[in-house]
Amino acid sequence: KAGVTQTPRYLIKTRGQQVTLSCSPISGHRSVSWYQQTPGQGLQFLFEYFSETQRNKGNFPGRFSGRQFSNSRSEMNVSTLELGDSALYLCASSSHQSGTEAFFGQGTRLTVV
Amino acid sequence: GQQLNQSPQSMFIQEGEDVSMNCTSSSIFNTWLWYKQDPGEGPVLLIALYKAGELTSNGRLTAQFGITRKDSFLNISASIPSDVGIYFCAGQETSGSRLTFGEGTQLTVNP
Repeated sequence: KAGVTQTPRYLIKTRGQQVTLSCSPISGHRSVSWYQQTPGQGLQFLFEYFSETQRNKGNFPGRFSGRQFSNSRSEMNVSTLELGDSALYLCASSSHQSGTEAFFGQGTRLTVV
Repeated sequence: GQQLNQSPQSMFIQEGEDVSMNCTSSSIFNTWLWYKQDPGEGPVLLIALYKAGELTSNGRLTAQFGITRKDSFLNISASIPSDVGIYFCAGQETSGSRLTFGEGTQLTVNP
């Protein structure tokens, strides 16, 4: 069974630009969550989608958004990028509605210059 | 918001030694998870705990869900060089699927 796939692996963007990251969950998993990982803040929850609906949202500004498609694939978008958005963005998928046993992808390393 | 305190922040041990790390929370969690992360990779799930008092093993790894639901520990026995990495605890609240992560324990194993 294929794991969680995130694309792209690496990305360099300029301040003010916008970016879209993609996540394909494990086959059969319907819950997808996104996390931001930085050296200073650690792993921070962004949002979670289940059956194309956002169920939970973390404390991030509205520049961070996401969506989920009918095949459970998910995208997250960051608009008007800031230097502080440089981070490893991780996607996790899980099968249950409760979201336990979350399995992570390799992440997308975003660098904002 | 919820906070998870993970300790120690780092450990330097000799190959063959046992290791113990723990997490404590200000609030109750319904589930505790332990992950290991290698540089440039995503966290890999090691052990999941679902019931207070539960003790679960995965090879040389053993983890326990505290009776109060506010803490968990992870033990690694007979450490080997490939155990090097950052270990994270994560707690799940009683509702929803949001995971709250500890700050991580950086483990270094000297051969």
